[in-house]
Amino acid sequence: KAGVTQTPRYLIKTRGQQVTLSCSPISGHRSVSWYQQTPGQGLQFLFEYFSETQRNKGNFPGRFSGRQFSNSRSEMNVSTLELGDSALYLCASSIGQGSYEQYFGPGTRLTVT
Amino acid sequence: GESVGLHLPTLSVQEGDNSIINCAYSNSASDYFIWYKQESGKGPQFIIDIRSNMDKRQGQRVTVLLNKTVKHLSLQIAATQPGDSAVYFCAVDNTDKLIFGTGTRLQVFP
Repeated sequence: KAGVTQTPRYLIKTRGQQVTLSCSPISGHRSVSWYQQTPGQGLQFLFEYFSETQRNKGNFPGRFSGRQFSNSRSEMNVSTLELGDSALYLCASSIGQGSYEQYFGPGTRLTVT
Repeated sequence: GESVGLHLPTLSVQEGDNSIINCAYSNSASDYFIWYKQESGKGPQFIIDIRSNMDKRQGQRVTVLLNKTVKHLSLQIAATQPGDSAVYFCAVDNTDKLIFGTGTRLQVFP
């Protein structure tokens, strides 16, 4: 069974731009969660989507948003990029909603210049 | 809110020895705990999980111990191998969100 895939793997953007990252969960998994990983803050929860609905959200500004499609694929969007948004963005999928048995993708490395 | 901390940022062990990585959490209501392994350039890899109704769970060469009294979690790796070199994170469920510790880098030397 294929794992979680994320595209693109690497991205360089300029301050003020916006970016969209994509995540395809493991087949049969209906929940997708997004995390930001930085050296200073570690792994931090952004939000979770289940059955196309955001069911949980972390403490990030409204510039961070996401959505989930009917095939469970998910996208996250960051608008008005700031230098501090440079990070590894990880998505994780699980069969059901919540934090149980989440499997991570390889991440998208975003660099904001 | 929940906070999760690991006791050592780095752990160095000799190949073949057992490794123990420790983690402390703050919320006594937490009921689900996971250990992840992250190798350089990769996403976290699920190792093993445990629910609060258990105090021990074993996998292949790994054991997770949960002490709810002192809010402490540990990961034991038997016969540590060079391929075990990575950063290990514990994660704790807090209202359906995973809160991650800061990670312990395990270094295995011959």
